Amino acid sequence: DVKVTQSSRYLVKRTGEKVFLECVQDMDHENMFWYRQDPGLGLRLIYFSYDVKMKEKGDIPEGYSVSREKKERFSLILESASTNQTSMYLCASTKDRVRTGELFFGEGSRLTVL
Amino acid sequence: GNSVTQMEGPVTLSEEAFLTINCTYTATGYPSLFWYVQYPGEGLQLLLKATKADDKGSNKGFEATYRKETTSFHLEKGSVQVSDSAVYFCALSDLANQAGTALIFGKGTTLSVSS
Repeated sequence: DVKVTQSSRYLVKRTGEKVFLECVQDMDHENMFWYRQDPGLGLRLIYFSYDVKMKEKGDIPEGYSVSREKKERFSLILESASTNQTSMYLCASTKDRVRTGELFFGEGSRLTVL
Repeated sequence: GNSVTQMEGPVTLSEEAFLTINCTYTATGYPSLFWYVQYPGEGLQLLLKATKADDKGSNKGFEATYRKETTSFHLEKGSVQVSDSAVYFCALSDLANQAGTALIFGKGTTLSVSS
């Protein structure tokens, strides 16, 4: 079975802390994504990557960075967490371009910044 | 730019009722269209998809038809069950994106079905 694993389901951090959210997929997918999900706003794309060491900004990249050193792993980094980054973060991957392919999602990481 | 608009929720139904969740889109070109479902405490999973005009996607009793003339992809089910309670997201593939790999999601519609 296809699997996307996010390292932490729940995190609580303090303002100003550096936060790492890890995502690993076991499907040999080229494309990986980070979305954040907020009530009333749906899912918004933060960053995505279509190859190792490649990254592209999504709609809301400010305050975030990413790292893709290996094909199976895509990390989201909050350099200095702020309270407005309290959210649910969803990682996803796909092999094909999503015109025909399917995105596979992890279970999400709920981050609270105090 | 490309966008997806879906009906506001929450939608509350009794078991065996008919369900419609409206979704309309704005896009250049010919995007693929998707419905994703998120059950409580889980990530999103693909429910159904359609890749060209007049295609009908179907799965688990749900259906949606890609209507180019009305730019719509409404989700329907003839008889809902309590287990269908979830958040439903309409999405389209963002062809404006260079890598052609990102999805644009609607805001989600919460469905609650009672017995």
